[in-house]
Amino acid sequence: GAVVSQHPSRVICKSGTSVKIECRSLDFQATTMFWYRQFPKQSLMLMATSNEGSKATYEQGVEKDKFLINHASLTLSTLTVTSAHPEDSSFYICSARSGARDYNEQFFGPGTRLTVL
Amino acid sequence: AQSVTQLDSHVSVSEGTPVLLRCNYSSSYSPSLFWYVQHPNKGLQLLLKYTSAATLVKGINGFEAEFKKSETSFHLTKPSAHMSDAAEYFCVVSSRAAGNKLTFGGGTRVLVKP
Repeated sequence: GAVVSQHPSRVICKSGTSVKIECRSLDFQATTMFWYRQFPKQSLMLMATSNEGSKATYEQGVEKDKFLINHASLTLSTLTVTSAHPEDSSFYICSARSGARDYNEQFFGPGTRLTVL
Repeated sequence: AQSVTQLDSHVSVSEGTPVLLRCNYSSSYSPSLFWYVQHPNKGLQLLLKYTSAATLVKGINGFEAEFKKSETSFHLTKPSAHMSDAAEYFCVVSSRAAGNKLTFGGGTRVLVKP
């Protein structure tokens, strides 16, 4: 149980285009989902927290207009990188937390590798 | 505020020898602590977690960690390394005071030599 999927696993796009990444909880309802960014050989940095049906809360320094997050249902959150530039190239990882389980535990997706040319 | 320091960015061990990954944390409230493993270009897998129960925590794949409040440490150990243990390991802290957000350490890359 507690499986989280991400789609796509890898995406290459041209500079200036927008890219949407999906995060799904497959066997539980995720009241809260998180989006992280990981640069090569570095740790994970929390970008934003989203609760189903409400606006996402962004961490300091993360541009909310550039990284649009939607959490429309208890099993799906999307991250849209708008007008992507090469510096947005990174590994994006989502996680999900269930209100019915240990409130501290997050279940992670496999990640999406974004490359902006 | 909470923070995590992983004391070694790289650890190299021979197959069959013990592994020790060191982690110190800082938290203004009773913390929950986790160890995650990440294989190349993969997501994170939970190895074990401490949430105020037994201080010696046993996880998957033969790993265990001991919570020592007096030393603010949560070191990860395994008695005998396997080639498949080569990966990046993250120590993570969470607490109610921080809104149950996860704060990651910088990671320790483990190399296992045959």
